[in-house]
Amino acid sequence: ETGVTQTPRHLVMGMTNKKSLKCEQHLGHNAMYWYKQSAKKPLELMFVYNFKEQTENNSVPSRFSPECPNSSHLFLHLHTLQPEDSALYLCASSPSGLAGYNTGELFFGEGSRLTVL
Amino acid sequence: ILNVEQSPQSLHVQEGDSTNFTCSFPSSNFYALHWYRWETAKSPEALFVMTLNGDEKKKGRISATLNTKEGYSYLYIKGSQPEDSATYLCALLAGTYKYIFGTGTRLKVLA
Repeated sequence: ETGVTQTPRHLVMGMTNKKSLKCEQHLGHNAMYWYKQSAKKPLELMFVYNFKEQTENNSVPSRFSPECPNSSHLFLHLHTLQPEDSALYLCASSPSGLAGYNTGELFFGEGSRLTVL
Repeated sequence: ILNVEQSPQSLHVQEGDSTNFTCSFPSSNFYALHWYRWETAKSPEALFVMTLNGDEKKKGRISATLNTKEGYSYLYIKGSQPEDSATYLCALLAGTYKYIFGTGTRLKVLA
């Protein structure tokens, strides 16, 4: 148990659906991340929030829309996705994103496996 | 942009064997190097955070070294057990929020 919970664990959706992924952390961390993990590729950073403010958007298509209402919760809203968006989406948190001040590790959830039909 | 390479991509070892794998990077321009252990259907969990050239960490049968001058880190597992079967990820903290991951080494320990 890492203290980071993701729901749902599995999601199947059509290209015209709207769905959301949810992440919750109980660690008191200030930074939260969405990563995408596709087969045989490294973990790919999508978004970062620090103190509820978005600090990174790694050129992610607008069909992915993040929301961070508070430091404990992070959502990824999905709309008109493509089959190539099928992947494992991992949420992570860390005490702070300030490199040089904090070199601590990321705490990950178990991921949401998304299949787009 | 830092590119993190991990080798081998996968390996199978017999229970009791010792093994090691490599994380390579072209530059020492980062703040820390992390090793994560990722079991199937679970979340990646940090094994080590390494910050200095010549840094060595150890946790039970698993240890890691970091050589920033030569551009690599090794992860060693002594006396592999079936429960060590997992994917081992290497990541560099290259800037604020910027964790750059390798593709991982998938280890299978055969009983």
